[in-house]
Amino acid sequence: DAKTTQPPSMDCAEGRAANLPCNHSTISGNEYVYWYRQIHSQGPQYIIHGLKNNETNEMASLIITEDRKSSTLILPHATLRDTAVYYCIVRGFLGAGSYQLTFGKGTKLSVIP
Amino acid sequence: GAVVSQHPSWVICKSGTSVKIECRSLDFQATTMFWYRQFPKQSLMLMATSNEGSKATYEQGVEKDKFLINHASLTLSTLTVTSAHPEDSSFYICSASPGLAGDEQFFGPGTRLTVL
Repeated sequence: DAKTTQPPSMDCAEGRAANLPCNHSTISGNEYVYWYRQIHSQGPQYIIHGLKNNETNEMASLIITEDRKSSTLILPHATLRDTAVYYCIVRGFLGAGSYQLTFGKGTKLSVIP
Repeated sequence: GAVVSQHPSWVICKSGTSVKIECRSLDFQATTMFWYRQFPKQSLMLMATSNEGSKATYEQGVEKDKFLINHASLTLSTLTVTSAHPEDSSFYICSASPGLAGDEQFFGPGTRLTVL
């Protein structure tokens, strides 16, 4: 699976946009970029995923560079409840319709009042 | 979104006993279920992948005789930690996937296991 690189931590002021970067320079053409977050002592929560086009949903936007070597997750108006560890994952294909997620260390986002 | 539940949410047991953790997909059929383990201040580590009706595939370094996985139906998978020891104390998390291309994994809330 392609590896990802994320900054270990970031701060963001409440109400501001949080932009979380991720490098995945070895991504292959059919691999998706997924973002999950984990609030303390809970299971990971799916945020968004994309292949090559930018994506937006009710939680966030995902911007993928044209060469697909990096992406940015954008939380448009961060709240205190967005404080969590954010994982950028390149999803690996196991075959027969089965996929695998490999979690790195993620970025600990702290939203500050 | 799809909901995955785990039971129990936490368990304390004595060393040497076995503990069973259930993972259920509540509103979809899960072709594939995954079990992860997370130690304090560390990331999730995949333990095994299971497809309904077949044997689980374990990651390197995970003892299949110690961590028994049964994916008996499309909505239920169980993880049994046999002869648990204090070093098995961890946060165990399952996820489930419908298994179709482009589908995400849905995670359960996790089970905190403490072995005394």
